[in-house]
Amino acid sequence: QVQLVQSGAEMKNPGASVKVSCKASGYTFTGYYLHWVRQAPGQGLEWIGLINPSGNRNYAQKFQGRVTMTRDTSISTGYMELSRLRSDDTAVYYCVRELRGGYFDFWGQGTLVTVSS
Amino acid sequence: QTVVTQEPSLTVSPGGTVTLTCAPSSGTVTSGYYPNWFQQKPGQAPRPLIYTTSNRHSWTPARFSGSLLGGKAALTLSGVQPEDEADYYCLLMYGGAWVFGGGTKLTVL
Repeated sequence: QVQLVQSGAEMKNPGASVKVSCKASGYTFTGYYLHWVRQAPGQGLEWIGLINPSGNRNYAQKFQGRVTMTRDTSISTGYMELSRLRSDDTAVYYCVRELRGGYFDFWGQGTLVTVSS
Repeated sequence: QTVVTQEPSLTVSPGGTVTLTCAPSSGTVTSGYYPNWFQQKPGQAPRPLIYTTSNRHSWTPARFSGSLLGGKAALTLSGVQPEDEADYYCLLMYGGAWVFGGGTKLTVL
């Protein structure tokens, strides 16, 4: 069965970087887009960006210059690294699978990133 | 930066019908925006309900339907159940980037 399993919770100081992983199983990893979405406490969902089946990336303008999405196809794992963290980056970060054409189906369980001094 | 607007909150009686809408800050929604709808309950990851305007996932109850209505994407719940109380988010595509609506808190009362 399809699963997206994310890495565990992180606590970071302001100015640091965080790298969240998302291990896929149960499907052909390179056949799908992998998106990253976040949700601050008590707030709505926010799209961060995607990496497509060819490995090309598209980031939301807000995160340009601070986010890097990568993947290791040999272990079916995607990564989202966010740098120069601020307190308002505190959120649950999700990876989400999309089949081309807007078919979003499976979500990871979420990773809480807390930024605090 | 495109803003996508949803009703902040709606209330519906059990067994009733309610329509949630999703509109961009400019222009109208077409099928080319690949509207998606998600349901989120407290402490849970979002659950996909509708993809590409009107298609239900295999797990989506038939009482949920998606459409385009007056230039907006719409999610209609017919015969609302108490367990439908949740937050609902739409998602639209803009030229390869995606934008979530602000979400609608649906209360079943």
